[in-house]
Amino acid sequence: KQEVTQIPAALSVPEGENLVLNCSFTDSAIYNLQWFRQDPGKGLTSLLLIQSSQREQTSGRLNASLDKSSGRSTLYIAASQPGDSATYLCAVRPYTGNQFYFGTGTSLTVIP
Amino acid sequence: DTAVSQTPKYLVTQMGNDKSIKCEQNLGHDTMYWYKQDSKKFLKIMFSYNNKELIINETVPNRFSPKSPDKAHLNLHINSLELGDSAVYFCASSQDREDGSPLHFGNGTRLTVT
Repeated sequence: KQEVTQIPAALSVPEGENLVLNCSFTDSAIYNLQWFRQDPGKGLTSLLLIQSSQREQTSGRLNASLDKSSGRSTLYIAASQPGDSATYLCAVRPYTGNQFYFGTGTSLTVIP
Repeated sequence: DTAVSQTPKYLVTQMGNDKSIKCEQNLGHDTMYWYKQDSKKFLKIMFSYNNKELIINETVPNRFSPKSPDKAHLNLHINSLELGDSAVYFCASSQDREDGSPLHFGNGTRLTVT
């Protein structure tokens, strides 16, 4: 069974810093990996989707990488801002089954 | 236009009652899901459903049942509500393609059982 882990569980950084969030998964047989953002009391907003054939995806200040063989993905946030404060979740879609497996999330606080 | 919408946003009810949460997607996706998010923010799949197959997470009590009147809707019905059912329930959808497609979420329904 696929297990997805995110480290650290919580992260606090001063505004302007670059930071990296980590996601690891146990089974490399995946279609894709998706990063989400969740604000308190809100739903999940998709940030980036990396297909299994891709190594990275970029959107603005966000860059997500995927190393399928090692079961790892990172989300890099450049020049962090207080508005980046949220919980970030990664999810993988395996080849088998019809569902997505979620990580435990990283709660990010960017201090002004 | 809201891609995945679910109602109600908040639901407060007493133990033993039966309630439903509705979900609709206008993305033309063929697969819909229900997830439960517990107090620790962990998202756990409850059901996935397309026009071919309903997959039920084996840990979900049979008091929970998905009902799909058509491809764009997947409602969640809960019988005999218990205190432990209090959580946020998210509906989601995706297109069932071999190369995988993004997952789109609704804004969630916060269920409180008293």
